Amino acid sequence: DTGVSQDPRHKITKRGQNVTFRCDPISEHNRLYWYRQTLGQGPEFLTYFQNEAQLEKSRLLSDRFSAERPKGSFSTLEIQRTEQGDSAMYLCASSLVGAETQYFGPGTRLLVL
Amino acid sequence: GQQVMQIPQYQHVQEGEDFTTYCNSSTTLSNIQWYKQRPGGHPVFLIQLVKSGEVKKQKRLTFQFGEAKKNSSLHITATQTTDVGTYFCARVSGSARQLTFGSGTQLTVLP
Repeated sequence: DTGVSQDPRHKITKRGQNVTFRCDPISEHNRLYWYRQTLGQGPEFLTYFQNEAQLEKSRLLSDRFSAERPKGSFSTLEIQRTEQGDSAMYLCASSLVGAETQYFGPGTRLLVL
Repeated sequence: GQQVMQIPQYQHVQEGEDFTTYCNSSTTLSNIQWYKQRPGGHPVFLIQLVKSGEVKKQKRLTFQFGEAKKNSSLHITATQTTDVGTYFCARVSGSARQLTFGSGTQLTVLP
């Protein structure tokens, strides 16, 4: 399968712990996006990479959140000092520059106890 | 922010009935995309509309973009149980071309 993959698929953590998620985009895609989706809502944009450069960050991305894409391939999203309000599905999507279609991964479902 | 409003939030139909979901914006949209998310799944791209008054069909699905490019609709003819899921419209914006999603319409099809 050459689609977008995410790891882990599920994560349960205690409040205050740090968590890190990984996204592997479609191999030739230079654009990578992170979104967050809570129950009953549409995905909300968090941040965007073009190759290794993080070019856009939403106001939703508090200073406890950090994302990287060191070699322009896979990306990681880290949440420090997790809070119960961080519980959500974290979705990664990728696309090609010049193409409007985004391909979503299966998501990482985070539950903060 | 520049939101897209989507109605209805929920729709229950008997298998074979038609279904329509509507997406509205207070500002002119450069384009609109539609996604389907199955229960427990992730959003899957269905289509993009760009032109004023555009109508596109995919089998039993008909997508429309309003003349003023402020609204869009998705119509499913003769629903099947495989149509179950949440249908989202999304606007593309910004230099990052990020998606701003509507709140979605959750479709249940009763056999």
